[in-house]
Amino acid sequence: GAGVSQSPSNKVTEKGKDVELRCDPISGHTALYWYRQRLGQGLEFLIYFQGNSAPDKSGLPSDRFSAERTGESVSTLTIQRTQQEDSAVYLCASSFHRGGYGYTFGSGTRLTVV
Amino acid sequence: QQQVKQSPQSLIVQKGGISIINCAYENTAFDYFPWYQQFPGKGPALLIAIRPDVSEKKEGRFTISFNKSAKQFSLHIMDSQPGDSATYFCAASFPDGADGLTFGKGTHLIIQP
Repeated sequence: GAGVSQSPSNKVTEKGKDVELRCDPISGHTALYWYRQRLGQGLEFLIYFQGNSAPDKSGLPSDRFSAERTGESVSTLTIQRTQQEDSAVYLCASSFHRGGYGYTFGSGTRLTVV
Repeated sequence: QQQVKQSPQSLIVQKGGISIINCAYENTAFDYFPWYQQFPGKGPALLIAIRPDVSEKKEGRFTISFNKSAKQFSLHIMDSQPGDSATYFCAASFPDGADGLTFGKGTHLIIQP
C-alpha cells in the first residue's frame, strides 16, 4: 500500500492478557520503528529495525515487551501480561534511510488495558 | 540525558496571526531536527526539517529558525489558519538513527477563526 498500515486500530484487553500489534511498512523501507504515545505526551522510542540487522531494543520499557520483523516486511510488537500502564497509542514508522529522515508514521493502535 | 524540551504546552492564536513554538535540546550530537504535525486519531506527519548547518528553512507558511549556539530551534507558522489546529512535535535524531527520534512533549495549537 501507499502508507504504513497498522492493525488493529483499536484494542481493548483485560489486564494480564497478551496482545500482538502489527505493522506493515511501506514497501522498500528498510528502517522500521515502534513508538509509544501516552495520552497528552510525546512519542517514546521503543525499538528499531534496520534491514536484517539485529534490532536495537534499548527503548523497550520491560521484558514483557518484544518485537519481531521478518526481513524488511511486517513487524509485530507483543506485550505479555498487559498492565494498565501499557494503555497508550502504539505507533509504527518506516523510512528508506537510517537516521530520523523521512519517517512515515502509521495511524497507530490504541491499546486500552482494563 | 537525551532530551528535547518543547514550549508552550498549548497555544491559541487568532486566524491570520503568527504561531511560534520553541524547542531546546541538550545533546550537540543531534544532527537532524524535524517538526511533526498530528491530527486527532492520526499518526504524526513530517512538516519541515532542518540540519544544524543551516540557520533558517522556509516551506510555504512554515519556517524553522535554528540557533546552534543556544541549542534552540523554533517553528513559525505565518498567516495561521483554522486548518493548522493540531498538535505539533519537535524532534531530534543522531546521525545513525539507532535511538530513533527524540520527541518533545508536543504543543496543542488552536487557531481561532
